[in-house]
Amino acid sequence: DAGVTQSPTHLIKTRGQQVTLRCSPKSGHDTVSWYQQALGQGPQFIFQYYEEEERQRGNFPDRFSGHQFPNYSSELNVNALLLGDSALYLCASSLQDSDTQYFGPGTRLTVL
Amino acid sequence: AQSVTQPDIHITVSEGASLELRCNYSYGATPYLFWYVQSPGQGLQLLLKYFSGDTLVQGIKGFEAEFKRSQSSFNLRKPSVHWSDAAEYFCAVGSYNFNKFYFGSGTKLNVKP
Repeated sequence: DAGVTQSPTHLIKTRGQQVTLRCSPKSGHDTVSWYQQALGQGPQFIFQYYEEEERQRGNFPDRFSGHQFPNYSSELNVNALLLGDSALYLCASSLQDSDTQYFGPGTRLTVL
Repeated sequence: AQSVTQPDIHITVSEGASLELRCNYSYGATPYLFWYVQSPGQGLQLLLKYFSGDTLVQGIKGFEAEFKRSQSSFNLRKPSVHWSDAAEYFCAVGSYNFNKFYFGSGTKLNVKP
């Protein structure tokens, strides 16, 4: 049983560009959450998706958007990249309203 | 406002020594509390969680944590640290329906031989 997978592993972009990160949840999980982890910081909640809709959102600008597909996989899109968007982006999957999240290894985004 | 504070950025302990990592939370309702561990290049792994009941909870890898409502704390402990415990540890608080989580900034644990 594959756990949570994320792609790509690493990504380098320049300021102003757009990026899409992908996440496949653990088998059977229907809820996906995205987090941003800056260097030396804890994960910061971006948003959570369930039934293809954004259910909850953290304190992130509209440049951060997402999508969930019928197979429960998810994408995180970031527009107009800033240097400060450089971070490890973590995806976590769970069952609806479950307390237990399973995290993927993350995508390391570097913005130059 | 909801928040989690981990006052110790780095901690170094000798192998075999006991360990306590501190966590203080601020949450308006009943807190749902978690400890995660993150090893380099890996995602976060859940160590233990507390929702209600016995304030001393047991987790995986020999870890335990104690919830103290009067101190708004949820400290993680281990009686005897192993070299493989070297990692970064995060305390988190979750909303009542678990659709939002707040993490602390983490404590990096080094283990001396």
